[in-house]
Amino acid sequence: DVKVTQSSRYLVKRTGEKVFLECVQDMDHENMFWYRQDPGLGLRLIYFSYDVKMKEKGDIPEGYSVSREKKERFSLILESASTNQTSMYLCASSPNTGTEAFFGQGTRLTVV
Amino acid sequence: GDSVTQMEGPVTLSEEAFLTINCTYTATGYPSLFWYVQYPGEGLQLLLKATKADDKGSNKGFEATYRKETTSFHLEKGSVQVSDSAVYFCALQRYAGNMLTFGGGTRLMVKP
Repeated sequence: DVKVTQSSRYLVKRTGEKVFLECVQDMDHENMFWYRQDPGLGLRLIYFSYDVKMKEKGDIPEGYSVSREKKERFSLILESASTNQTSMYLCASSPNTGTEAFFGQGTRLTVV
Repeated sequence: GDSVTQMEGPVTLSEEAFLTINCTYTATGYPSLFWYVQYPGEGLQLLLKATKADDKGSNKGFEATYRKETTSFHLEKGSVQVSDSAVYFCALQRYAGNMLTFGGGTRLMVKP
């Protein structure tokens, strides 16, 4: 089975901290994505990557950056956490030729 | 740009009732369409998909038909169970491996 693993289920951080959310997939997928989930808004794309060291902005990239140094790992970085970044963060991966995206279990981040 | 609109919830049903969750989309070309399900405390799982007009996706008693003429992909189930209680997301994808665009999600609660 495809597995997408996010490093933390729950995180509590202080305003202004630099926050790293890690995601690892074990199926050699080319494409990886970071989404943010908020009630009533569904999932909104923050950043995505089609290859190592490659990144593209999604719909809401402000306040975030990403890193993909290895094919299996895609990191989301909150440069200076703010309370409006309190949310559920979901990582996903998919192959170039497939139509299904596989999701991690999510990281619920609270910024206080 | 692409967008997905689905009915707001929560939808509350009694066990064995008929379920319909409406989903309409706006996109250029011929996207693939999906329903994902999120059970409490978990990430998203693919429920069903359809990749071209008039295709019917089905899984676990759920069905949805890709209607190009009405740009719709409504989710149906003839007899819901308590275990179907979850949040359901409609999504589209322009081409294989590409990002998913999600609707706002619909929470379903099934009472015994």
